Amino acid sequence: AAGVIQSPRHLIKEKRETATLKCYPIPRHDTVYWYQQGPGQDPQFLISFYEKMQSDKGSIPDRFSAQQFSDYHSELNMSSLELGDSALYFCASSLEASFGINYGYTFGSGTRLTVV
Amino acid sequence: DAKTTQPTSMDCAEGRAANLPCNHSTISGNEYVYWYRQIHSQGPQYIIHGLKNNETNEMASLIITEDRKSSTLILPHATLRDTAVYYCIVRVGSNFGNEKLTFGTGTRLTIIP
Repeated sequence: AAGVIQSPRHLIKEKRETATLKCYPIPRHDTVYWYQQGPGQDPQFLISFYEKMQSDKGSIPDRFSAQQFSDYHSELNMSSLELGDSALYFCASSLEASFGINYGYTFGSGTRLTVV
Repeated sequence: DAKTTQPTSMDCAEGRAANLPCNHSTISGNEYVYWYRQIHSQGPQYIIHGLKNNETNEMASLIITEDRKSSTLILPHATLRDTAVYYCIVRVGSNFGNEKLTFGTGTRLTIIP
């Protein structure tokens, strides 16, 4: 079965550079979520999109932005990178059933961003 | 979303049943209990969820107390590959795709050979 695809798997950037992370949800999934997981920490919610509209926002720095495109893939853009941005970034997708009960998210394998 | 409380860590012998408890005493009537696990540095994996009835699937069973203030995830025959951090999360059902999962600390389960 198709899974959530994230690219790249690994990314090394220098301070103050920019990075773009991509997420391709499971076909027909209409909701995408982005999470950040620092070393030894639990996943922290950043932002989500439902039907290409931003649906919720968490602890996402102003230096970060994201969008969901017409084909439902999503991109997380990160500018002025800092050492503290080094983390695993996960994308998850889901399909809201017609009666509104979510049957669980499917997470991608993540992008490991290292800022040096 | 309601806060959950889980043990920080647990050990279980290989082949035995692993029982992972979770307290969610402030859960609301419309909130579901979800369980996810994360094997080292991989994306979190959905295990099971329920509202008030006990649930079972190919991975695990979920036992929810009658007052819904606590639940137990049961892995019936634990294997070494079940070593992971297990997260208990409560979340409302939604029509609008805006109900994020909020991860707490989770239980680090170690399966002992």
